[in-house]
Amino acid sequence: EVQLVESGGGLVKPGGSLRLSCAASGFTFSDYSMNWVRQAPGKGLEWVSFITSSINNIQYADSVMGRFTISRDNAKNSLYLQMNSLRAEDTAVYYCARYSYGSGRERKFDYWGPGTLVTVSS
Amino acid sequence: DIQLTQSPSFLSASVGDRVTITCRASQGISSYLAWYQQKPGKAPKLLIYAATTLQSGVPIRFSGSGSGTEFTLTISSLQPEDFATYHCQQLNSYPLTFGGGTKVEIK
Repeated sequence: EVQLVESGGGLVKPGGSLRLSCAASGFTFSDYSMNWVRQAPGKGLEWVSFITSSINNIQYADSVMGRFTISRDNAKNSLYLQMNSLRAEDTAVYYCARYSYGSGRERKFDYWGPGTLVTVSS
Repeated sequence: DIQLTQSPSFLSASVGDRVTITCRASQGISSYLAWYQQKPGKAPKLLIYAATTLQSGVPIRFSGSGSGTEFTLTISSLQPEDFATYHCQQLNSYPLTFGGGTKVEIK
């Protein structure tokens, strides 16, 4: 059974840092690209960052570029998000999501973790 | 960046109703569109990808159509477990973007 479990969320002051982790199991982690997606309280979904299986392509949303860093350790079946210079507007539930692309137009986020809450407040 | 506009943002319907949600893209995205269902306090769940393909295990009352800039999600006969928020997502180009969501509530 595919499982993704995020951890590392919590309360942090503006300007602070936090590192999120996503532990993957039930599939060959090194075969899949991964994403982080966030959702501010009462708001819609916002894509944050993407990393390929071989770490040869990384993308960020403009809102986090230069402050957040995505990484992965395929030996540990883990995905990470290092978040620096945090702002109040970064307050959200952060989800990791597996990115699956088959042949043709079959691109999809097919599995999601339950999320971890990050609150940025003084 | 590609903007996705969902309509309506809120929908009140009864069990058994046919429900249609629209997602419009600010530029053509071919068929690189997915739909997700989200219940309160839970992660999104994939319903449809490639605009029209039903994800394994999703009931056949859900269907998707469209290509280019206009897409629809249809629930043919709304069931009690379908009351949730629905999100569209474009996977054509970065930054990947989501629509604003459509909340489906019980009338």
